[in-house]
Amino acid sequence: DAGVIQSPRHEVTEMGQEVTLRCKPISGHNSLFWYRQTMMRGLELLIYFNNNVPIDDSGMPEDRFSAKMPNASFSTLKIQPSEPRDSAVYFCASSLSRDGRFGNGYTFGSGTRLTVV
Amino acid sequence: GDSVTQMEGPVTLSEEAFLTINCTYTATGYPSLFWYVQYPGEGLQLLLKATKADDKGSNKGFEATYRKETTSFHLEKGSVQVSDSAVYFCALSKGGTSYGKLTFGQGTILTVHP
Repeated sequence: DAGVIQSPRHEVTEMGQEVTLRCKPISGHNSLFWYRQTMMRGLELLIYFNNNVPIDDSGMPEDRFSAKMPNASFSTLKIQPSEPRDSAVYFCASSLSRDGRFGNGYTFGSGTRLTVV
Repeated sequence: GDSVTQMEGPVTLSEEAFLTINCTYTATGYPSLFWYVQYPGEGLQLLLKATKADDKGSNKGFEATYRKETTSFHLEKGSVQVSDSAVYFCALSKGGTSYGKLTFGQGTILTVHP
């Protein structure tokens, strides 16, 4: 199993440009989570999906952020237009939703380091 | 709502010292508890877990015991190494209608000097 795959690993973009981050979860996992990590705020849950359906997007900072999961093997997080304060590391994670009870937790991807200049 | 509180860092130790990182939680029901570790430039990795009261999770010399009476899950290691330098996150999950959502603590930075 290749684990959770995120792309790109690094992204540098100019303010105002559209940015799209991609995630391929582990096959068979039915929950997918997008997190943002910064020094100031630590780990923030942005949105999560179960069976491709968004369950809670209350962590999405504002309308500039959107996320989709068109099928069980792919998700995107889009920022349009991007701003310097969006600079952070964005992590995707997946799990079997029942695993909260059976205790296997998440598998995280390696993250996308986004820099908006 | 559910929450996790970790001891504030950073924690700085000499090699072979004893490590404790405190973690307490607030949650209804019977959560599962986890410790994750993040090495520089990498994503979070599951370090250990416990799914019910009095369970002890262990891995790579690290241990943590699920104490329901004190709502705690403190991480310990008897002799740390320089390679243990990382950020450690305590977390809980209840699965079910939470869809396995994890609630994380704020993280504790550990630096181990030779």
